[in-house]
Amino acid sequence: DAGVTQSPTHLIKTRGQHVTLRCSPISGHKSVSWYQQVLGQGPQFIFQYYEKEERGRGNFPDRFSARQFPNYSSELNVNALLLGDSALYLCASSLPGTGVTDTQYFGPGTRLTVL
Amino acid sequence: AQKVTQAQTEISVVEKEDVTLDCVYETRDTTYYLFWYKQPPSGELVFLIRRNSFDEQNEISGRYSWNFQKSTSSFNFTITASQVVDSAVYFCALSPNYGGSQGNLIFGKGTKLSVKP
Repeated sequence: DAGVTQSPTHLIKTRGQHVTLRCSPISGHKSVSWYQQVLGQGPQFIFQYYEKEERGRGNFPDRFSARQFPNYSSELNVNALLLGDSALYLCASSLPGTGVTDTQYFGPGTRLTVL
Repeated sequence: AQKVTQAQTEISVVEKEDVTLDCVYETRDTTYYLFWYKQPPSGELVFLIRRNSFDEQNEISGRYSWNFQKSTSSFNFTITASQVVDSAVYFCALSPNYGGSQGNLIFGKGTKLSVKP
């Protein structure tokens, strides 16, 4: 079975531009979460979506937005890029249960470089 | 506040040595989950284990073992007879149990393990 897939693998943008990152969850998974990992740090939570609704949001500015589609894939959008947005963006999918915390399975990430 | 501390930034061992990676967490929740992930140079986070706060039994999986001690808020990870393929960054993570909504994994800064032949 295919794991979580993300596109593109690498991306180079300049300051002020906009970027869209894409994620396809594991088949059957309905929840997608996004994380930002700056070099040398642990991943930081950005968003979680379940059944196309935002279920959680981390401490990120409004320049960051996301959405989930009927097929459970997801997009992360970042506007007005800053140099500090350079990072590995990780997508994770899970199959939410009832009253339990399900394991999140991560994709390979998108490496974004802002010049 | 919820926090995960991995005090060891980097560890270097020689193949076949045993190595323990430390993880200390802080939370006010009575119900929570702890995880370990492995991140090889390729970048993808690989799930290793999940443990809930009510299960303090130690777990062994092949060369890997985990020691969960609620009294000291620690969830340490030991690799026995390390191999070069174990070289990676290892992350400990904490997640509260929000009744099914569990998007927020709180990660430590990671421990980079280098296993030399």
